[in-house]
Amino acid sequence: KQEVTQIPAALSVPEGENLVLNCSFTDSAIYNLQWFRQDPGKGLTSLLLIQSSQREQTSGRLNASLDKSSGRSTLYIAASQPGDSATYLCAVRGGSNYKLTFGKGTLLTVNP
Amino acid sequence: ETGVTQTPRHLVMGMTNKKSLKCEQHLGHNAMYWYKQSAKKPLELMFVYSLEERVENNSVPSRFSPECPNSSHLFLHLHTLQPEDSALYLCASSQDRVSGPDTQYFGPGTRLTVL
Repeated sequence: KQEVTQIPAALSVPEGENLVLNCSFTDSAIYNLQWFRQDPGKGLTSLLLIQSSQREQTSGRLNASLDKSSGRSTLYIAASQPGDSATYLCAVRGGSNYKLTFGKGTLLTVNP
Repeated sequence: ETGVTQTPRHLVMGMTNKKSLKCEQHLGHNAMYWYKQSAKKPLELMFVYSLEERVENNSVPSRFSPECPNSSHLFLHLHTLQPEDSALYLCASSQDRVSGPDTQYFGPGTRLTVL
C-alpha cells in the first residue's frame, strides 16, 4: 500500500526566503506525482505535475524535482511571498491505477 | 460558472437528517471523484465515476450514497451520519480516469459538521 509522507508538517519563514518542502513515498512504481496548494477552507489547486519519466518541472518561482528510485520529491519555492502562505500537498498516482495517494501536507506561513 | 463548483459550501446536520451534497463540473471531463478530508489526515478517496459508471467504492460506509446522473453532475447523499463524519468533502474531475497526464481539478469543498 502506497504511503506518502511530507516533512515538515509546518514551516514559518520570513518573506524573501528560498525554501524546500519534502515529500517521500514508499512505492516507487508511480505514474506521476503532483504538488497541490490548498488555501484555508478551499479546494486544491494543482501547481506542478511530474511524470514518472521526468526529473523536474518548473513554473515561475516553483520548481519540483522527482527521484523515483529513492521515492522522493521536493518543491522549491524561490523568493517566498506572504501570498504563498497555504498548505502544500503532495500526491502520487499509482503505476497500475488512477488513484491519487496524498500526504498530510505542509502548512507554510510566509511572514511579511 | 467555470471549473468545479460545489454546493452547499457549509452544512450542519443532525445524525438523523438526510442531506445531499452537489458537485458540478464545467470542464467537459469524463471522470468525477469524491474525497474526504478530515483534520490531521490525508485526503481519502471515496468514490470514482467514469462516464457515469461507478468504478470505485473505497470501503465507504453505506450511509454515504453517491449518484452520477450525467458526466457533469455528481451527488453525495448523506443519511444517519456520525459525528466522526464531520470533514471537508471535496469533489474533483479529470479528463479521463486512466489515460493522459490526468490532472484532477478540485472544487472548493463542502464543510460538513454532524452534531
